Amino acid sequence: GQNIDQPTEMTATEGAIVQINCTYQTSGFNGLFWYQQHAGEAPTFLSYNVLDGLEEKGRFSSFLSRSKGYSYLLLKELQMKDSASYLCAVMDSNYQLIWGAGTKLIIKP
Amino acid sequence: GAVVSQHPSWVICKSGTSVKIECRSLDFQATTMFWYRQFPKQSLMLMATSNEGSKATYEQGVEKDKFLINHASLTLSTLTVTSAHPEDSSFYICSARRGGGGDSLGQYFGPGTRLTVT
Repeated sequence: GQNIDQPTEMTATEGAIVQINCTYQTSGFNGLFWYQQHAGEAPTFLSYNVLDGLEEKGRFSSFLSRSKGYSYLLLKELQMKDSASYLCAVMDSNYQLIWGAGTKLIIKP
Repeated sequence: GAVVSQHPSWVICKSGTSVKIECRSLDFQATTMFWYRQFPKQSLMLMATSNEGSKATYEQGVEKDKFLINHASLTLSTLTVTSAHPEDSSFYICSARRGGGGDSLGQYFGPGTRLTVT
């Protein structure tokens, strides 16, 4: 079957760095997406990786290793507004998004 | 670009009535639209996928006759919850895919509709 694993919850301190991991097993691979979802709101697109390596976008970076079925989202200089759930999703061979359950990130002052 | 609107943002209805939710892609043509449901503190659950001009493809366990999806144009899809019951109360979110390659394969989400059935 298809499976996306990410930690349920993480806690970090304002100003620090946090890494949210995602491992996946899917039938085929057409890219991995990270989304941010604040409570009560819809997800918003953060990043897309289809090749191995690190993609940097401001305070957020996303890494992919296809051979390991592994990705992480790195958030630097954490701000209180970064408190949200972070969803990892993989596009399979049918171009269908397979969603992880999300990681709730709690930022403490 | 890639803005998706959803209307209404919240609705309260009585048990047994029907509710229609609209999803529009405002600045692009959506080759495919998706409908999700999300219960509190749970992940997104895909309900159905729809392509313009064709019948929606429903996920296992989703009742086609209860959740009617119409994808009338490349910018509009509607979800009608028929004969709503309190257990249908949830956060309904639509998303749209632009088509093309790269991160256009991703989905752009509407703001969601919170449905409460009393």
